[in-house]
Amino acid sequence: QVQLVQSGAEVEKPGASVKVSCKASGYTFTSYDINWVRQATGQGLEWMGWMNPNSGNTGYAQKFQGRVTMTRNTSISTAYMELSSLRSEDTAVYYCARGGILGYWGQGTLVTVSS
Amino acid sequence: EIVMTQSPATLSVSPGERATLSCRASQSVSSNLAWYQQKPGQAPRLLIYGASTRATGIPARFSGSGSGTEFTLTISSLQSEDFAVYYCQHYNNWPRTFGQGTKLEIK
Repeated sequence: QVQLVQSGAEVEKPGASVKVSCKASGYTFTSYDINWVRQATGQGLEWMGWMNPNSGNTGYAQKFQGRVTMTRNTSISTAYMELSSLRSEDTAVYYCARGGILGYWGQGTLVTVSS
Repeated sequence: EIVMTQSPATLSVSPGERATLSCRASQSVSSNLAWYQQKPGQAPRLLIYGASTRATGIPARFSGSGSGTEFTLTISSLQSEDFAVYYCQHYNNWPRTFGQGTKLEIK
């Protein structure tokens, strides 16, 4: 069965970077885009960007341009999302999700930005 | 960027009744529209894609309609497990924006 398993919770200081991983199983990793979506506590869903695991091509929401980098390691079927210059407003649960239509989601990774 | 607007923000409905949720796009997204359900502490779950196609395993009481800029999610007879937050999202182009969500609560 398709599974996306994300890395554990992170606590970072303002100005630091965080890198969240998303390990895929149960399908051919390079056949579907990986999207990243975040959700601040009590708030709605915010689409951050996508990556094509086959080509490595990416597209980011303008809000995150220059701060976010999405990469992958196809040998271990894992996608990564790195967010830099963290601020308190980046405290949220970060999800990876498969495909153009987000049919499968990871369990979420809580990133807390606090001094 | 296409802005997705959902209404109402909160909908109070009794179990067994029908719920109708709306989603409007600021420009046409054709039928490239999905609906998701999210329960507290859980990741979202895909309900509907292509505006009207139920995802695998989604009960028939969930139906979607619309095209262009106006979309509707209907839950025909609410079950206790249906009380949650519902989001629409377009995938017509990038960025793939979400609506702000509709909270469906028990009346």
